[in-house]
Amino acid sequence: ETGVTQTPRHLVMGMTNKKSLKCEQHLGHNAMYWYKQSAKKPLELMFVYSLEERVENNSVPSRFSPECPNSSHLFLHLHTLQPEDSALYLCASSQALSGYEQYFGPGTRLTVT
Amino acid sequence: DQQVKQNSPSLSVQEGRISILNCDYTNSMFDYFLWYKKYPAEGPTFLISISSIKDKNEDGRFTVFLNKSAKHLSLHIVPSQPGDSAVYFCAASGGNFGNEKLTFGTGTRLTIIP
Repeated sequence: ETGVTQTPRHLVMGMTNKKSLKCEQHLGHNAMYWYKQSAKKPLELMFVYSLEERVENNSVPSRFSPECPNSSHLFLHLHTLQPEDSALYLCASSQALSGYEQYFGPGTRLTVT
Repeated sequence: DQQVKQNSPSLSVQEGRISILNCDYTNSMFDYFLWYKKYPAEGPTFLISISSIKDKNEDGRFTVFLNKSAKHLSLHIVPSQPGDSAVYFCAASGGNFGNEKLTFGTGTRLTIIP
């Protein structure tokens, strides 16, 4: 595997379900990010982890819970979501402090029914 | 309040001609600007960037121009090729947002007509 991978690529869940999105980066980076992309809106930064420590939580509802067990893996745990949470969720990584470019995974298309 | 704006949601250009994508920003503290390209069902891919100390950066067919006084940047693609058809996002970082945070525009869908 190379670059940034995300699983699953598609997810349909009910409002009472609990699911998790997984992201893995194979680039040796030490910062990881979760973004949300809704239709006709800019990418919205949700969470930032640098050196496995959360450095940013952009006023995201508590029904989204991130986890970064190590510098290569990032999870987004989902529970009791709302239909308006349906979106493309993108993970990215970068070499913190030494560059600005972020490298994105292919995203998880989430539909909440 | 959107701090990075791409006012053209779509653009169509004939193959071989120049494509010009525009981006405006409002925060004068931004000091680094990036362009990303996104194909359907894929994540955004970094294309080219420019620091605020420069006004031009070129990489092959892609050139980014920065006009700090106008808070405007543009991406020129010449000659345009069918494989350039994608959504292009402008992003900015720096200032009080820190180096690690990127603020994105809404994107411009570029279609290259063969």
